Amino acid sequence: EVQLVEFGGGVVRPGGSLRLSCAASGFTFEDYGMSWVRQAPGKGLEWVSGINWNGGSTGYADSVKGRLTISRDNAKNCLYLQMNSLRAGDTALYHCARAGSSSSFAFDIWGQGTMVTVSS
Amino acid sequence: DIQMTQSPSSLSASVGDRVTITCRASQSIRSYLNWYQQKPGKAPKLLIYAGSSLQSGVSSRFSGSGSGTDFTLTISSLQPEDFATYYCQQSYSTPKYTFGQGTKLEIK
Repeated sequence: EVQLVEFGGGVVRPGGSLRLSCAASGFTFEDYGMSWVRQAPGKGLEWVSGINWNGGSTGYADSVKGRLTISRDNAKNCLYLQMNSLRAGDTALYHCARAGSSSSFAFDIWGQGTMVTVSS
Repeated sequence: DIQMTQSPSSLSASVGDRVTITCRASQSIRSYLNWYQQKPGKAPKLLIYAGSSLQSGVSSRFSGSGSGTDFTLTISSLQPEDFATYYCQQSYSTPKYTFGQGTKLEIK
């Protein structure tokens, strides 16, 4: 079964750090770009960060640039999001998603998400 | 950065209605436009990719059209399970993406 499972979320104080992970299974991980997408409670989808198949190209939303870092380990079939200098506005459910060239880089597989709460 | 503007932000309709949602990009994105459906408490589901290609397993009630900057998602005959929130997304500038703000489709 093709699957993405996120973990690493939790409650963190403003200014703190957290590292999210996304474990992929059921497909050849290195064949796909990957992204992180977040959704604050009651709000819409916000794309956060993306990475191409080999990690050679990355992108960030302006709201997180310089604070969040995306990376991947193709040997471990894992995607990461290092989150530093966290703010209250980063509170959201964080999903990882798969993007394939055969689907015009649309996000065809999503994980269920891991919740990040930034609060003092 | 490419901005995506969806309209309307909310919509009330009845079972059996034909519904259209529009999405406009701030610059040409060719056909790199995707549509998603999200139900409460669930991850988004890909409906349409590349402007008009139906994702495997998605009902043919859903169709997409457009290219360049203007796109539409049409649901031909609303079913009870179609009431949800819909998002457009550009994938032209991968690995940088943008979502529209969403359209909440409610039962009239």
